[in-house]
Amino acid sequence: QITLKESGPTLVKPTQTLTLTCTFSGFSLSTSGVGVGWIRQPPGKALEWLALIYWDDDKRYSPSLKSRLTITKDTSKNQVVLTMTNMDPVDTATYYCAHSDSGIGALAFDYWGQGTLVTVSS
Amino acid sequence: QSVLTQPPSASGTPGQRVTISCSGSSSNIGSNTVNWYQQLPGTAPKLLIYSNNQRPSGVPDRFSGSKSGTSASLAISGLQSEDEADYYCAAWDDSLKGVFGGGTKLTVL
Repeated sequence: QITLKESGPTLVKPTQTLTLTCTFSGFSLSTSGVGVGWIRQPPGKALEWLALIYWDDDKRYSPSLKSRLTITKDTSKNQVVLTMTNMDPVDTATYYCAHSDSGIGALAFDYWGQGTLVTVSS
Repeated sequence: QSVLTQPPSASGTPGQRVTISCSGSSSNIGSNTVNWYQQLPGTAPKLLIYSNNQRPSGVPDRFSGSKSGTSASLAISGLQSEDEADYYCAAWDDSLKGVFGGGTKLTVL
């Protein structure tokens, strides 16, 4: 079965760079149509889409955060890494990674990780 | 402020039918498919509806989705207490970004 799990620091200081890793199993990111996305949710607030990487290394970013985000994949390790630079307290949120497949449409994430809470504070 | 507009709250009694709306624009809902997610308290979102009206395996047929023009709706029939959750609509936008609604908190009275 498909599983995903996020890992990374739970606390970062303002201006630091956040690096999150999504480790997955049950699918391959080299399979046509497959993608992995990142979505975050500030405490008590709505979901916000951040980035998406496809099997062919096509990458999409939220325009409002594009200058701060980088998404990469390591197919051999079954991992996707998201880096976010210049962290600010407003970036405090639970960060989720999720699986997508073009067969079920854009922005349809059918499997999600449990999420990891990242707090930005000095 | 979210690109897709949802009512912040909705409610119903057990057995009732409730609908949640999602309003967008020609660049997102108007030209792309809509997905719906259910988020139970303290858990990750779950895909409830994809491609406007398709249910993933395991999702009860009490949940249904529809789309017309630049708006979409999620309907829940035979409301149950376990349906109490936050619901989000989502769609791709032609400006090459994913957009979510602000979420609707459903209360089962």
